[in-house]
Amino acid sequence: EAQVTQNPRYLITVTGKKLTVTCSQNMNHEYMSWYRQDPGLGLRQIYYSMNVEVTDKGDVPEGYKVSRKEKRNFPLILESPSPNQTSLYFCASRLEYNQPQHFGDGTRLSIL
Amino acid sequence: AQSVTQLGSHVSVSEGALVLLRCNYSSSVPPYLFWYVQYPNQGLQLLLKYTTGATLVKGINGFEAEFKKSETSFHLTKPSAHMSDAAEYFCAVSDRGRNAGNMLTFGGGTRLMVKP
Repeated sequence: EAQVTQNPRYLITVTGKKLTVTCSQNMNHEYMSWYRQDPGLGLRQIYYSMNVEVTDKGDVPEGYKVSRKEKRNFPLILESPSPNQTSLYFCASRLEYNQPQHFGDGTRLSIL
Repeated sequence: AQSVTQLGSHVSVSEGALVLLRCNYSSSVPPYLFWYVQYPNQGLQLLLKYTTGATLVKGINGFEAEFKKSETSFHLTKPSAHMSDAAEYFCAVSDRGRNAGNMLTFGGGTRLMVKP
């Protein structure tokens, strides 16, 4: 089954404790992205990647890092999480730039 | 940079009534346009998309949207609402061309409520 898998689905942690949210897709897609969803703001793009080793900033990259060492994986790293990064995060992938995104089920992060 | 405006963060309709969710974008060059639906505790699912060709686009679950260049709009409609349509709906746009990269800009979302 074609899917985008994120882990964990839920995480409660404390300020400053490094965390990684993994994202994996099995569709051989070139493009992958990370978004955060906050009430009233819709989804805002954090980082995106157009291929292995090619990443770029989205609208809200501050406080986040990503890497794309393999085509299927695109982890999101919070080196020193802060409470304002409490949010619902989505990973997405798509085959080409003019194709719709396939979304994971989301990761709800709470930073205390 | 693109911006996307969804008029009305909450829309309430009766079951069987027309659904109209509004979306306007800011680009002077027509972008690629998408509507997504999000059910509680789930990711986003594609309802429909416009990239080129016919301006009236049909999607899943009886939804359709019409691209109007002169109005920079891409409103979503459904003739008759079902209870199962209750969800949050997002309009999204993507600039044309490979050099535009992978930027996808979302509107703020519209929560649709369907009354029995």
